[in-house]
Amino acid sequence: AQSVAQPEDQVNVAEGNPLTVKCTYSVSGNPYLFWYVQYPNRGLQFLLKYITGDNLVKGSYGFEAEFNKSQTSFHLKKPSALVSDSALYFCAVRVTGSQGNLIFGKGTKLSVKP
Amino acid sequence: GAVVSQHPSRVICKSGTSVKIECRSLDFQATTMFWYRQFPKQSLMLMATSNEGSKATYEQGVEKDKFLINHASLTLSTLTVTSAHPEDSSFYICSARIPGDRGWNEQFFGPGTRLTVL
Repeated sequence: AQSVAQPEDQVNVAEGNPLTVKCTYSVSGNPYLFWYVQYPNRGLQFLLKYITGDNLVKGSYGFEAEFNKSQTSFHLKKPSALVSDSALYFCAVRVTGSQGNLIFGKGTKLSVKP
Repeated sequence: GAVVSQHPSRVICKSGTSVKIECRSLDFQATTMFWYRQFPKQSLMLMATSNEGSKATYEQGVEKDKFLINHASLTLSTLTVTSAHPEDSSFYICSARIPGDRGWNEQFFGPGTRLTVL
């Protein structure tokens, strides 16, 4: 069965420091991976995706993610965190053979302190 | 980018009543929309896939008679929670994707509807 794991419930970083939010996946076939961000009581906003091509994907708001096939990981990164980056981050994978159905990880709360 | 709206943003109802939630794609036509449910501090769980002009496809464990989905036009899908009970209280989020896209691209999410059943 396909699945997505986000091993950390919460990540705390100081403003200006680099951040990493981890994601690993299990899929049959080629993975199509996404990162979304959710602010309180809001829907999800798309950050970036990996479909094919370069393993390092750049997205919105300075975020990037690295696809690692051997480690089945798709960690989200940002070189310098901002307080405004504090939110809930979800990793997702497209269900193979579906109409675009997504399976989401449980989410990781990112807290950036001044 | 594409915009998806939901209405209402928040609803409080009495147990036993039915509640309708609307999901609209504002600047594009969406042949496929998705309905998710999110419990506090948990992930989104796909409830059903809504296809314009046909019956929705429900995920395992989701009662189709309780969660009625209608996708009558290319810009509107509705979710009706029938005979709501307190355990149905949750955050309901819809999303849509661009027609012709077989899932390679991102979904566009609505802002969500907070349902509280007393």
